[in-house]
Amino acid sequence: DAGVTQSPTHLIKTRGQHVTLRCSPISGHKSVSWYQQVLGQGPQFIFQYYEKEERGRGNFPDRFSARQFPNYSSELNVNALLLGDSALYLCASSLAELAGKGDTEAFFGQGTRLTVV
Amino acid sequence: RKEVEQDPGPFNVPEGATVAFNCTYSNSASQSFFWYRQDCRKEPKLLMSVYSSGNEDGRFTAQLNRASQYISLLIRDSKLSDSATYLCVVNTRNTGFQKLVFGTGTRLLVSP
Repeated sequence: DAGVTQSPTHLIKTRGQHVTLRCSPISGHKSVSWYQQVLGQGPQFIFQYYEKEERGRGNFPDRFSARQFPNYSSELNVNALLLGDSALYLCASSLAELAGKGDTEAFFGQGTRLTVV
Repeated sequence: RKEVEQDPGPFNVPEGATVAFNCTYSNSASQSFFWYRQDCRKEPKLLMSVYSSGNEDGRFTAQLNRASQYISLLIRDSKLSDSATYLCVVNTRNTGFQKLVFGTGTRLLVSP
């Protein structure tokens, strides 16, 4: 069975550009969350989508946006890239809205490593 | 103050040693608690949940003290393969949605 897949795996962008990152959840999972992990830090929550609706948003500027499609895949968009946006962007999927253990465990994709120059 | 605080380490231990990691969280409304493991340049993976009664999974023991808002992870008989970053994670309900809040991680290096 395929796990959570993210594309691309690596990306280099210039300041001011925009970027779209993609995530396909595990089949049957309806919840997708996005996290940003800067080097040396733990992942920081950006968005959660459940059943194609935004359920939560972290403390990120409006340059960050996301959406979830009818097949539960998701996109994260970042506009007007800054050097500080360089990070590993992680997508996590879970069956239910609650990210816990067992049936609700959150599974992470391998991430997209974004470098802004 | 960070919502979840951990000593970043690194903890350098020899094979066979016992090592303990601690973590504190600030949101008393936090509902679920976990330890995740993250290998270098890889994604985090769930190691184990943490319960107030304490729980054990092989060489790993986790403990939660809700009154002190304190979480611990004990690794016995360390293996080289235990070298990784261990992330303390709290599931917090925040204005109608739930999110995972991660600590910065504690790096463990097990040497021969």
